[in-house]
This record gives sequence, structure tokens and C-alpha cells, in this order.
Amino acid sequence: DAKTTQPPSMDCAEGRAANLPCNHSTISGNEYVYWYRQIHSQGPQYIIHGLKNNETNEMASLIITEDRKSSTLILPHATLRDTAVYYCIVSVYGQNFVFGPGTRLSVLP
Amino acid sequence: KAGVTQTPRYLIKTRGQQVTLSCSPISGHRSVSWYQQTPGQGLQFLFEYFSETQRNKGNFPGRFSGRQFSNSRSEMNVSTLELGDSALYLCASSLAWDRGPNEQFFGPGTRLTVL
Repeated sequence: DAKTTQPPSMDCAEGRAANLPCNHSTISGNEYVYWYRQIHSQGPQYIIHGLKNNETNEMASLIITEDRKSSTLILPHATLRDTAVYYCIVSVYGQNFVFGPGTRLSVLP
Repeated sequence: KAGVTQTPRYLIKTRGQQVTLSCSPISGHRSVSWYQQTPGQGLQFLFEYFSETQRNKGNFPGRFSGRQFSNSRSEMNVSTLELGDSALYLCASSLAWDRGPNEQFFGPGTRLTVL
């Protein structure tokens, strides 16, 4: 079973920030938090990962709480092309992922 | 740098047949993992190969097998196909850096339909 829980769906207005939460209350000290997204029937796309510090790249920001039991993926200015299923995964080495059902994000015009 | 490639992209087979799917990882990547995606079960890990050896395996029957070649290319085989094997089969590659986190890069997948 997946070690993460995410809301099944969210909506976001185009141009606004999309904040996707993830709960991973049983995360181990050496497990990283990974985010991937999957646009309809394509292969999942890597977004970002982090251990305990907040991380930012050209796609998104990852905010991890101090106790590491939850995190939030932030897409700063969502576009229609960000409509996808977003997966939050915890893993030590970034392999052999156990995927949950993810969050279906709909960016609305 | 070319991404992960999978062939064929689409495949139709009948029950009882066998099928072989191919995956070419990103150049320099040593680990190849396979996943099955169905509407009912979502994305599930099948197995991972590293240096031509199966290193990890998910909870799938023995009809699902794979191998990895010396150039890191990988194939997976499903024998005695069942209707429930209809799925999107995804391959992912990574550097398999043992001292830290890896990023997996997924291919576009092979859509298998079993009739």
C-alpha cells in the first residue's frame, strides 16, 4: 500500500497558484518525498523531490513540514497544460515506487 | 539526450498468447524498472533490473518476467495472456546512484490490449 494520502481531485484557476497537499505521516528518516505527474495516458513526469528542506526548481516548489509528516507541491502559475494526475511518493532511493491514486488537478480557464 | 523509448507503442494480442515489450533507457542509466497501469489497480511496480540482474520484484505472478542486456536495454515478457493483462506498461530508467536519491524517467508506455 502507498504510504501517502492525497485528495482525489482539486481545481485551480488558470494563472493562480496550485497547492497540492500530501500526507505521509509514517515517513522514515531516510525517505525522500517525490512528486510526479501524469498527463493523460503519457508516462509519469518527474517534478521535484526533497528530504526535509524546501526545494524549488523551474517547475515547482516543494514545502515539507518540519516534522516531515506532510508536504505541499506548489505550481506558482498554473496553466491549462498543468492539468494532470499528480502523485506524491516516498522512497529511499527513488526507485520501486508504490503509487497511490494521486490527485487529479484540473486547471480551469 | 534521448529519453526512454519503448516499443511497440500499441499491441493487440489474444488470450493465451505471449508478448515481449522492449525498453531502451536513457544513455548512462543502469537501472530499468517496469510498471503496469490499469484503471482498476492504478500504477503498480512489476520489477527492477540493474546490471542484468533482477534486483526488486513486485507482487505479480510468474507469467510476468523480464531481463536486462549488457547495454542496459530491457525486455519484459508476459506469457499465457489473460484479459486482465490489458494495461499500459511503463518502463522507467535511472542512474541507480546508491548513495542518494535517484530520479526515474518514464517512457511513453506500451498499450497492450488482450482480446
